[in-house]
Amino acid sequence: SQTIHQWPATLVQPVGSPLSLECTVEGTSNPNLYWYRQAAGRGLQLLFYSVGIGQISSEVPQNLSASRPQDRQFILSSKKLLLSDSGFYLCAWSGFTGLDPYEQYFGPGTRLTVT
Amino acid sequence: RKEVEQDPGPFNVPEGATVAFNCTYSNSASQSFFWYRQDCRKEPKLLMSVYSSGNEDGRFTAQLNRASQYISLLIRDSKLSDSATYLCVGGSQGNLIFGKGTKLSVKP
Repeated sequence: SQTIHQWPATLVQPVGSPLSLECTVEGTSNPNLYWYRQAAGRGLQLLFYSVGIGQISSEVPQNLSASRPQDRQFILSSKKLLLSDSGFYLCAWSGFTGLDPYEQYFGPGTRLTVT
Repeated sequence: RKEVEQDPGPFNVPEGATVAFNCTYSNSASQSFFWYRQDCRKEPKLLMSVYSSGNEDGRFTAQLNRASQYISLLIRDSKLSDSATYLCVGGSQGNLIFGKGTKLSVKP
């Protein structure tokens, strides 16, 4: 079966510091991968999605970036965090596993607080 | 801007009640529709896909009306454990739009 991991679970960072969040998927090959942010009291906002190694699409202009160095690894980064970057960051995957290929499955998330 | 709109609630219902959530989507090109459940401070979890013919999974029934761009979720015989936020989702690969969620609270 497929599993998705994210770390760290929680993070408190000062404004202006860098960020690196990691997501890995097990049990599937060539998944589509996604990064979302959920701010307090708001819906999920798609930040990036990737259909393959090195292929990243950005949905929202911001000071964040994403990379996919390996098939099942997705990294979210920032060089300098802003207060507005605080939120719940969720990684998700979808793929042709016999289920609806558009169904997305989420990792446990990283709760980021920028102080 | 492509949106998915749903009543934020909260819906406060007694155990055993039947509750219905409704949702509308603005992008007529959307191909896939889902309901997700999100518990407080947890990740969303897929509850069920929604098909034009309607589909049922135990106490949960989902319906899609493409002509009206409308999605519904019916929960019968509510349990305390059904308390959560329910997210309506529509779109296609790489572009799923999530609604902000409807909060359900089932009381004893």
